Amino acid sequence: QVQLQESGPGLVKPSETLSLTCTVSGGSINSFYWSWIRQPPGKGLEWIGHIYYSGSSNYNPSLKSRVTMSVDTSKNDVSLNLGSVTAADTAVYYCARESRGGYSLAWFDSWGQGTLVTVSS
Amino acid sequence: DIQMTQSPSSLSASLGDRVTITCRASQTISRFLSWYQHKPGKAPKLLIYSAVTLQSGVPSRFSGSGSGTDFTLTISSLQPEDFATYYCQQSYSTPYTFGQGTNLEMK
Repeated sequence: QVQLQESGPGLVKPSETLSLTCTVSGGSINSFYWSWIRQPPGKGLEWIGHIYYSGSSNYNPSLKSRVTMSVDTSKNDVSLNLGSVTAADTAVYYCARESRGGYSLAWFDSWGQGTLVTVSS
Repeated sequence: DIQMTQSPSSLSASLGDRVTITCRASQTISRFLSWYQHKPGKAPKLLIYSAVTLQSGVPSRFSGSGSGTDFTLTISSLQPEDFATYYCQQSYSTPYTFGQGTNLEMK
């Protein structure tokens, strides 16, 4: 069974870049889309964007100017960079595998446990 | 963006109760809807995809229905492990969006 594990700094200073890695075990990242999703404290879930194993990506327009995602097939991991962070970016960040059923039908069938990132000086 | 609105936002129920959660999309999304269960400190868990398809390993007391703009998640007989927050999510168009969540609590 595939397992996802997010890792990265738990504290980031305002205006700096948040960098997280999602390591996939028990399965290959090939042939899947990989999404990043976040949940600010006390709020709901927000989709940040996704990246295909080939490297093509699609980001939420609300974050697009600050987001970069990448894949490393040799390491079987996916990375997220979010630049110019503010306190509003404080959240639990999840990576998730996106399975597809044709056209745009997609669902998140495997998730990491999530990692809390706090933006504070 | 497609807005997803869940109701109720919170719900108190007892073991054995039948519970229904509603999700409404701001425009038609066909059956491009999924449901997730989320417990504090845990990874969200996929319950239903394509509006009605039960994810492998999910108990049959969970069921989904609907198409177009109106969807429901039903738990036929509440079990202790079902108390959690539930989210709907659309994949009809990006950005994917989630409902605000329904917090299911024990009465």
